[in-house]
Amino acid sequence: GNSVTQMEGPVTLSEEAFLTINCTYTATGYPSLFWYVQYPGEGLQLLLKATKADDKGSNKGFEATYRKETTSFHLEKGSVQVSDSAVYFCALHDKAQGGSEKLVFGKGTKLTVNP
Amino acid sequence: DGGITQSPKYLFRKEGQNVTLSCEQNLNHDAMYWYRQDPGQGLRLIYYSQIVNDFQKGDIAEGYSVSREKKESFPLTVTSAQKNPTAFYLCATTRADTNYGYTFGSGTRLTVV
Repeated sequence: GNSVTQMEGPVTLSEEAFLTINCTYTATGYPSLFWYVQYPGEGLQLLLKATKADDKGSNKGFEATYRKETTSFHLEKGSVQVSDSAVYFCALHDKAQGGSEKLVFGKGTKLTVNP
Repeated sequence: DGGITQSPKYLFRKEGQNVTLSCEQNLNHDAMYWYRQDPGQGLRLIYYSQIVNDFQKGDIAEGYSVSREKKESFPLTVTSAQKNPTAFYLCATTRADTNYGYTFGSGTRLTVV
């Protein structure tokens, strides 16, 4: 079945450092891809998405490009802030032959940004 | 404002008890999902429902039950058959086309005492 693999954390950076969190996927066809963010004790929030190959999703300074050649959707930010400290999840849209639809999530990557 | 309400925020269960977690939405979304989150495990799908009066098992349905009698509500019962229920439970909803992405509730933390 379809699956998502994220780089294992935790990731610790200093403020204003460059961030990359790697995400690769295995899927039939070209599913939509998502990044979610989870702050401590809260639910997940959609950060950005891309629905087709070569699309770039962006939000709040974060970016990710849908690369079908490398089956990747890496999350990047040029200059992180302390407030970016959270857990980040990569996900893909899975649609089974019977018509059921769901999102498949990676295991999450915890980011800590120090002042 | 539209959104998802999960209640209670914290729940304590004694051994052998059944407990029910509430998930209510006013987003008019068709599909609803329950996930379990354990530290370092990511999110694992328990049950999901794409229309009223219909639901499917996810990857870890054993020891759980659900109902979908109304579009707005998708309660999850954690039964005594679930041997290790301590976890953070998240409810999510989406429109019929899941390319839209999910909207998540704020979660319920269940602890066995």
